[in-house]
Amino acid sequence: EDQVTQSPEALRLQEGESSSLNCSYTVSGLRGLFWYRQDPGKGPEFLFTLYSAGEEKEKERLKATLTKKESFLHITAPKPEDSATYLCAATYGGATNKLIFGTGTLLAVQP
Amino acid sequence: DADVTQTPRNRITKTGKRIMLECSQTKGHDRMYWYRQDPGLGLRLIYYSFDVKDINKGEISDGYSVSRQAQAKFSLSLESAIPNQTALYFCATSDTTGGTDTQYFGPGTRLTVL
Repeated sequence: EDQVTQSPEALRLQEGESSSLNCSYTVSGLRGLFWYRQDPGKGPEFLFTLYSAGEEKEKERLKATLTKKESFLHITAPKPEDSATYLCAATYGGATNKLIFGTGTLLAVQP
Repeated sequence: DADVTQTPRNRITKTGKRIMLECSQTKGHDRMYWYRQDPGLGLRLIYYSFDVKDINKGEISDGYSVSRQAQAKFSLSLESAIPNQTALYFCATSDTTGGTDTQYFGPGTRLTVL
């Protein structure tokens, strides 16, 4: 079964304490791996797309990486404003527009 | 102004009522989507549309219908709402930059069916 699994479900960090979120995927023919940020009561906000194993992308304190089985979202020296739910999603096979989502990691960064 | 807007933002209704959720976009994208989000289940695709004349069912289309009135407008209807349709509903649009659609989401509609 094609699926995307995120771990941990929730993560609490102190400000400045770096960590990583995991997204493992079992899909046939990955076309793209997406990361989104979602704040409470808001829609998901696009962060990154990764297309092939070994690819990395960065934005401020966030860096996303991709292997053949999983993706990591590394958060370096997080700040309280990084607190949000981070969603991972994949497109695969011939349907480049169909996203399969993980259930997200709820990140809380305490001052 | 937001690129993808949804109305209403919150709605409380009763079982059996007909409900319409509306989505408008100024991004100029051809593709539009409707998702629902439930705690512990993630986002699931209800319907998607490649253009005004091309509408497709997603993973969970039963109990829902859609209308693509124009390139910029995509509406979701619940013909007879039931309590298990209580959820957050999101509209999204996409383009095909880079060979894979990147989807951009609206702010969501919180629907409660009593």
